[in-house]
Amino acid sequence: EAGVAQSPRYKIIEKRQSVAFWCNPISGHATLYWYQQILGQGPKLLIQFQNNGVVDDSQLPKDRFSAERLKGVDSTLKIQPAKLEDSAVYLCASSSPRVGNEQFFGPGTRLTVL
Amino acid sequence: KNEVEQSPQNLTAQEGEFITINCSYSVGISALHWLQQHPGGGIVSLFMLSSGKKKHGRLIATINIQEKHSSLHITASHPRDSAVYICAVRLRGNEKLTFGTGTRLTIIP
Repeated sequence: EAGVAQSPRYKIIEKRQSVAFWCNPISGHATLYWYQQILGQGPKLLIQFQNNGVVDDSQLPKDRFSAERLKGVDSTLKIQPAKLEDSAVYLCASSSPRVGNEQFFGPGTRLTVL
Repeated sequence: KNEVEQSPQNLTAQEGEFITINCSYSVGISALHWLQQHPGGGIVSLFMLSSGKKKHGRLIATINIQEKHSSLHITASHPRDSAVYICAVRLRGNEKLTFGTGTRLTIIP
């Protein structure tokens, strides 16, 4: 079974530019999560989808961050415009009741904002 | 105070040593995860447990629900075990994970 896929793996942009990250969860996993992990800290949940609906986006900075999962499968996370403090690893995870709701993580996208 | 506390924050040991990483939490949980994160950023799930003890190869995880404490042990440590180990708890009643800040483990050959 393929794992959670993310792209790109690395991205360097200048502040005020836009960037988008892509995630393809494990096949059949209805729940998808986006996390932000700043260096030296644990991951912080940005948004949780159940199929194509948002379950929790309370910590998503909605003035600059947006996410969608239109067909309930893969998802994109966008930052527009980026700030220096957005430099972090962006992790995608998926889960399913079939596997006890254990979350499986992708390799992450390391974003550097200059 | 964080809901999930890990200790130590950093740990350096010689190859072959027995390693213990601790995790304490202050909330009601349905499960606790131990995760491994290598420098590239990706996270691998090592264990998910809600009671007792689990073993996989040289890794052992234990949890004491009454004391709200879990430990991750590595026997016969190896340089390839060098990584950040993260404790995360699943809050009772929802699937949200709350993460500790991680323990950076370095095993010296």
